[in-house]
Amino acid sequence: AQSVAQPEDQVNVAEGNPLTVKCTYSVSGNPYLFWYVQYPNRGLQFLLKYITGDNLVKGSYGFEAEFNKSQTSFHLKKPSALVSDSALYFCAVRESGTASKLTFGTGTRLQVTL
Amino acid sequence: SAVISQKPSRDICQRGTSLTIQCQVDSQVTMMFWYRQQPGQSLTLIATANQGSEATYESGFVIDKFPISRPNLTFSTLTVSNMSPEDSSIYLCSASSGGGTYGEQYFGPGTRLTVT
Repeated sequence: AQSVAQPEDQVNVAEGNPLTVKCTYSVSGNPYLFWYVQYPNRGLQFLLKYITGDNLVKGSYGFEAEFNKSQTSFHLKKPSALVSDSALYFCAVRESGTASKLTFGTGTRLQVTL
Repeated sequence: SAVISQKPSRDICQRGTSLTIQCQVDSQVTMMFWYRQQPGQSLTLIATANQGSEATYESGFVIDKFPISRPNLTFSTLTVSNMSPEDSSIYLCSASSGGGTYGEQYFGPGTRLTVT
């Protein structure tokens, strides 16, 4: 069975500082990994994905994520946080070669303050 | 990317009644899904809506409670039947467009349901 862990319920960072939102995963085969963001009273927005190739993936709004196979991690990062980045972030995994069914983490609330 | 709309955006319903949620995608998609989300919490997959056949339900969800239709490649409905307060939640429609089995999923804005 596939699973995702987001160990931090909330991450607090000052505007202009770098941010990291952690995600680890477990799948039987090769993973397809995704990050989504959810603003209040909105649906989920796709940020980025890792399928294969370069371990560093760049996505929307200046976010990037690094795939680390040995640590089974896919942490979300941004060099300089903005107050407008404050939202709920979800990591998700799908096992390669399987039907399209995502497993989501529990979510991490990012709070960026001035 | 696919743009997904849902109707209604929110509703307040009495226990024992049923509500049908509509999901419309602006392009043909291979896969459509229905999720449930408590505010501020993670998503739970209810079922995969299959075009032209019965939906595939996840453990803990049954067709009698959550009947789903998908008459074509751009539209699906989810009905929450015989509602109780425990059904109060946000219901999200999702679709996967192209990319084979690794295409990203796109989400509708959700339907916020309150059962009194």
